[in-house]
Amino acid sequence: EAGVVQSPRYKIIEKKQPVAFWCNPISGHNTLYWYRQNLGQGPELLIRYENEEAVDDSQLPKDRFSAERLKGVDSTLKIQPAELGDSAVYLCASSSLGLTQGNEQFFGPGTRLTVL
Amino acid sequence: KNQVEQSPQSLIILEGKNCTLQCNYTVSPFSNLRWYKQDTGRGPVSLTIMTFSENTKSNGRYTATLDADTKQSSLHITASQLSDSASYICVVSARSSYKLIFGSGTRLLVRP
Repeated sequence: EAGVVQSPRYKIIEKKQPVAFWCNPISGHNTLYWYRQNLGQGPELLIRYENEEAVDDSQLPKDRFSAERLKGVDSTLKIQPAELGDSAVYLCASSSLGLTQGNEQFFGPGTRLTVL
Repeated sequence: KNQVEQSPQSLIILEGKNCTLQCNYTVSPFSNLRWYKQDTGRGPVSLTIMTFSENTKSNGRYTATLDADTKQSSLHITASQLSDSASYICVVSARSSYKLIFGSGTRLLVRP
């Protein structure tokens, strides 16, 4: 069974440019998460989806970040315009029953973003 | 405030040696604690999960312990291998919450 797929794996852009990341969760997982992981730190949750609904986007910087999960499967995370401080690894994760505590989240390999 | 603290921040050991990583948490009410392994350039992968009533859990050469009274956990790696070089992240869940509280990780380097 395929795991969480993310693309691209690496992205280098200049500041003020837009960038988008794509995530395909594990088949059948209705909950999808986007995290940002700075160097030497643990991941920080940006947004959580239950099917196509964003049920927690409280940590998403909405002035420049946006996300969507059309049809409740794939998801994209966009930054426009990117700033130097956005350089990080963006991780996507999915789980089968998001409202059930202890349910394991499976992580993708991440997209490493470098903003010059 | 719910927090997870890990120590040491980084560790270098020789191949074949054992090591122990520490995790202290203040998450309440506690639900479960996981140890994740994150290889360079990859996402975290779960090694073990322990609930309140579990004191120890093994996964091959990895053994995790949990003391819910002192809110401490450890991950012991036996007979380390080069492939154990990675970051090890302690992650705690609060009861009735989907949110995971991540530690900053311990970066382990196993040298030949």
